[in-house]
Amino acid sequence: DVKVTQSSRYLVKRTGEKVFLECVQDMDHENMFWYRQDPGLGLRLIYFSYDVKMKEKGDIPEGYSVSREKKERFSLILESASTNQTSMYLCASSLNDGRSYEQYFGPGTRLTVT
Amino acid sequence: AQSVTQPDIHITVSEGASLELRCNYSYGATPYLFWYVQSPGQGLQLLLKYFSGDTLVQGIKGFEAEFKRSQSSFNLRKPSVHWSDAAEYFCAVGAWSNDYKLSFGAGTTVTVRA
Repeated sequence: DVKVTQSSRYLVKRTGEKVFLECVQDMDHENMFWYRQDPGLGLRLIYFSYDVKMKEKGDIPEGYSVSREKKERFSLILESASTNQTSMYLCASSLNDGRSYEQYFGPGTRLTVT
Repeated sequence: AQSVTQPDIHITVSEGASLELRCNYSYGATPYLFWYVQSPGQGLQLLLKYFSGDTLVQGIKGFEAEFKRSQSSFNLRKPSVHWSDAAEYFCAVGAWSNDYKLSFGAGTTVTVRA
C-alpha cells in the first residue's frame, strides 16, 4: 500500500512565523501535490512537483513556497504565516506513468495561525 | 480548464436506506473521474475511478458510480448505507491533457441517522 505521511497532525503557530510542513511518500511516486482544504471550498491546489527540484504553481500559490530536494519528500513553506492561512493542509502523491492518475493522500495537517 | 460541481452540501440518510451523491463536471472532452471519501480527521481515501470503458464502475465499501457523458455527470450510489458511511465525499475530475492535476468539488457531507 502507498503510504503518505505528514510531519504533524496539528500545528499552532503565531502570525509572522516561518512554518514548514513536511510530506513523505514511500512508493517512489514522481508527482507530489500540496492542497489546502477549507469548508465549502473543497481542495485547492497550492503547488505541485513532477520531479526532484521541479515545482509548478497551482491555483493558490500566494504566500507559499515549496521544496523538493529528494524524490520522496515535498515540503510546503509559509514564509510569514498569516491568520488567513489557518486551514487543513493535505499532501498527495501519484505516479507519472501515463496509466495511473489517482492521487494518494496523507492524513492532513490542521494548521492554526494565531 | 475542467471544473466539478457537487450540488448537495449536506445529505442526511437513514441507516439501511439508499444513497446517491451527485457530481457534474465541465470539460470539453471525456475526463477521468474519481470519488474520494474523507472520514473525520482523516485524509482522503479513493472509493472508485473511471477512465474509460464500462460506464458503471464498482468501488470499495459497496459503492458504485455511473458515468453519463450526455449529462456530464458521475453520480455515486450505495444501495444500503451503514453508520460508518458518515463522512465527507469528494468528486474529482482530471483532464488527459492536464498533467495529472485534479479539480475537486466542494464536497458533500453525509450524516447517517439510526
